[in-house]
Amino acid sequence: DIQMTQSPSTLSASVGDRVTITCRASQSIGNWLAWYQQKPGKAPNFLIYDASSLASGVPSRFSGSGSGTEFTLTITSLQPDDFATYYCQQYDSLSGTFGQGTKVEIK
Amino acid sequence: QVQLQESGPGLVRPSETLSLSCTVSGGSISSHYWGWIRQPPEKGLEWIGYIYYTGSTKYNPSLKSRATISADTSRNQFSLKLTSVTAADTAVYYCARGLSCTTSCFLDYWGQGALVTVSS
Repeated sequence: DIQMTQSPSTLSASVGDRVTITCRASQSIGNWLAWYQQKPGKAPNFLIYDASSLASGVPSRFSGSGSGTEFTLTITSLQPDDFATYYCQQYDSLSGTFGQGTKVEIK
Repeated sequence: QVQLQESGPGLVRPSETLSLSCTVSGGSISSHYWGWIRQPPEKGLEWIGYIYYTGSTKYNPSLKSRATISADTSRNQFSLKLTSVTAADTAVYYCARGLSCTTSCFLDYWGQGALVTVSS
């Protein structure tokens, strides 16, 4: 079973900061990785697929990179609407495992 | 714009079967893949499985064959049944549209979620 580990679990940042979240897979998943943003009480919002492809309508300050076992989500110039929890998900295996989440909070 | 809406009982007794439906509007289920994901209170997301409108399904092995996903193209709905539930199955259940579904999928459109509590 593929495990996905995100770091950090919590990140404190200010508006305008550059933020990077890391997601590591327990085995190679190629580029079969997606990123989501979730706000309290809401469904996840789809951001990135195939590790680095931006979903339609997602602001260009979001970007993804990586392949194999190590991936990153970067937000350049953090905006007030970006304070949320972010999840990675692998879709290389039947388990479709999500990371445990990274909460981006206001510093 | 595709929209999804979950429906079903909010309370299920232990050992019974959880049943949820997802109604899709703004698009036909007779294209794409359709999936279920759950999120226990204050915890992370868990992939359950997906269905293609032809009836082809794949599931997360961790559910040990308790999950069944079906589709009703005439009603533009798909459904989830989870048998022999325990308190550990208490969660918000989301339906979503799947893309790039070979083993599992990534999800682009999501329902708002339905809280299901397992309790006697």
